[in-house]
Amino acid sequence: AQSVTQPDIHITVSEGASLELRCNYSYGATPYLFWYVQSPGQGLQLLLKYFSGDTLVQGIKGFEAEFKRSQSSFNLRKPSVHWSDAAEYFCAVGSNAGNNRKLIWGLGTSLAVNP
Amino acid sequence: DADVTQTPRNRITKTGKRIMLECSQTKGHDRMYWYRQDPGLGLRLIYYSFDVKDINKGEISDGYSVSRQAQAKFSLSLESAIPNQTALYFCATSDLQGQARFFGPGTRLTVL
Repeated sequence: AQSVTQPDIHITVSEGASLELRCNYSYGATPYLFWYVQSPGQGLQLLLKYFSGDTLVQGIKGFEAEFKRSQSSFNLRKPSVHWSDAAEYFCAVGSNAGNNRKLIWGLGTSLAVNP
Repeated sequence: DADVTQTPRNRITKTGKRIMLECSQTKGHDRMYWYRQDPGLGLRLIYYSFDVKDINKGEISDGYSVSRQAQAKFSLSLESAIPNQTALYFCATSDLQGQARFFGPGTRLTVL
């Protein structure tokens, strides 16, 4: 079955510390992978995406993610967290197979940042 | 101006009422989607439309209907609202090339 797992429901880090949010997927076809961020009271904003090529992708707001096919993972990282990064983060996976192009969503990781 | 707009942003209604949520986009995308977000359940797809003449059910379409009035407009209706439809509703768009979704700010709906 196709699925996306974000193992950490909630993470708290100190401002300035590094961050890694985990995402594991189960998907039969070649995946397209996405990370979104949702700030309180806001819609979801695309942070970055992986379709093909270099497995380390850079996104907005200083985030990056690495696709590891052997581990079925697409973890999000940031070297130094800012207080404004406190938000909900969602991983999603899709495929270019067929016309549907459905996205499978993780349940999200809530990030709190201590001053 | 925002690329994807939703109205209203907040709505409180009573059980049995008909409710319409509206979505407009200026991104020029053909594909539009309606999702609902519930705590602990993530995002679930209600309906999606690939163009004005193409409407498809998503995972949880029961109790909902949609109308694609134009390329830029996609509305979601609850014909007879019930309390378990209380949720945050998002409209989104995507282009033909990729699957990235571009989301509106959401509508918080409360059904009493």
